[in-house]
Amino acid sequence: AQTVTQSQPEMSVQEAETVTLSCTYDTSESNYYLFWYKQPPSRQMILVIRQEAYKQQNATENRFSVNFQKAAKSFSLKISDSQLGDTAMYFCASGSGYALNFGKGTSLLVTP
Amino acid sequence: DTAVSQTPKYLVTQMGNDKSIKCEQNLGHDTMYWYKQDSKKFLKIMFSYNNKELIINETVPNRFSPKSPDKAHLNLHINSLELGDSAVYFCASSQDYLAGEETQYFGPGTRLLVL
Repeated sequence: AQTVTQSQPEMSVQEAETVTLSCTYDTSESNYYLFWYKQPPSRQMILVIRQEAYKQQNATENRFSVNFQKAAKSFSLKISDSQLGDTAMYFCASGSGYALNFGKGTSLLVTP
Repeated sequence: DTAVSQTPKYLVTQMGNDKSIKCEQNLGHDTMYWYKQDSKKFLKIMFSYNNKELIINETVPNRFSPKSPDKAHLNLHINSLELGDSAVYFCASSQDYLAGEETQYFGPGTRLLVL
């Protein structure tokens, strides 16, 4: 079974600043994928970034980047130049095959 | 164009009723899913279907019955609704996992409230 832990229930950051959301996971799979999803108040689940476990290079998508530490089973999300529209719940998830296993989420508030 | 759509978006009903939620994806994906998000925002897999065949049933009560008439549709029927069924239900899809493509695309969710 896979478990995903997000230890920060809530975080806040000022506009234009950088914030890092933590995530650790536990899996016995050899091939797996890691994701960050964003859920704004509209409740739509939006893919932010994904990482294939076999790739050592950290994924980046514009202002979003990850720090993937495979040995430590850590997968943190860094948001640079935070914007008001980044206010949302952020879910870390691991996947291998048929389903995603989600963490409990981190509620991020971006303040002016 | 909406990639994964669900109907209805909101559903308010009485305990004991039977209701259905429909899901359609136009991405050409082979695998579809149902997730439940509880009041604490925790998301948990309920079912996975690959090419219309059930792959995962995560100890969901048999009052919940998914049906996949074709690989673009995965509907969720719930019998004898209970208060604890109140939640947001998300449909999602991904390409066939055998191709190694794991990204799941989510529908907008259906908020179910059982009174």
